[in-house]
Amino acid sequence: GAVVSQHPSRVICKSGTSVKIECRSLDFQATTMFWYRQFPKQSLMLMATSNEGSKATYEQGVEKDKFLINHASLTLSTLTVTSAHPEDSSFYICSARTASMNTEAFFGQGTRLTVV
Amino acid sequence: RKEVEQDPGPFNVPEGATVAFNCTYSNSASQSFFWYRQDCRKEPKLLMSVYSSGNEDGRFTAQLNRASQYISLLIRDSKLSDSATYLCVVNSLSVGRKAAGNKLTFGGGTRVLVKP
Repeated sequence: GAVVSQHPSRVICKSGTSVKIECRSLDFQATTMFWYRQFPKQSLMLMATSNEGSKATYEQGVEKDKFLINHASLTLSTLTVTSAHPEDSSFYICSARTASMNTEAFFGQGTRLTVV
Repeated sequence: RKEVEQDPGPFNVPEGATVAFNCTYSNSASQSFFWYRQDCRKEPKLLMSVYSSGNEDGRFTAQLNRASQYISLLIRDSKLSDSATYLCVVNSLSVGRKAAGNKLTFGGGTRVLVKP
C-alpha cells in the first residue's frame, strides 16, 4: 500500500510551548488529509479534515486556533499544537487519501505527545 | 446516536474458533466501508474493504447490509496473532460544509483476544 510518514513519532514538551507534527505522503498525492487524536483505550477521534490548498474543516469541539493545520502541498500537512497543556497529551495520527471518493486512507505511524 | 457504533468487547476467543461482530452506521448515504486493524500503540492498518456483495480474504469475511445499515467481520480459525482492536470505518459525504468532501468516521473499535 501507499506510504504515509509522520514525524516525530514521540515528543515531550513543556507546558505552554508549541509542537509541530508533520505528515507526508511519500508515493502518492494526498488531496485530503485527516488528523485524529486517540486517548488511551479510546477510539480515534477525527479532529479536522484538510484539503490541499484550502482551510481545514474542524470537527465540533476542536479549537482551530489551538490546533493549526496547514496543507500547503499535495504531499505535506502539518499540525501545530499551540500553547500545549498536559491535557493535550495524546496519540495524534494523520491519514491521507487520494481524490478518489471510495479509496481507503493510509495512516502515518502516529505521534505520541507528552506535555509536562 | 453515534455515527458509527461497535461493540467494544473484548471478545475472548479460543484459538481455532470463529468470531464475528458487527458495526452499525447511521448515515444511509454512506458510500464505502472498511475494516481496519489496530494493534496496541500502533497506527491502524487496512484489513479489508467491504463490498456490496461481501468479500472474503483468507480467514476473514466481510459483509455489508445496507437495508439494516451494518457491516460485519467474521474471522475463522482464529490465530493468536489475530488479537487486536478491529475498527469499522465508514466513508460518508460531508454535506452542508463549506468545503464539501468525503469524511472517514471510525467506530470505537471491537477488541478481540485470542487465547490458547
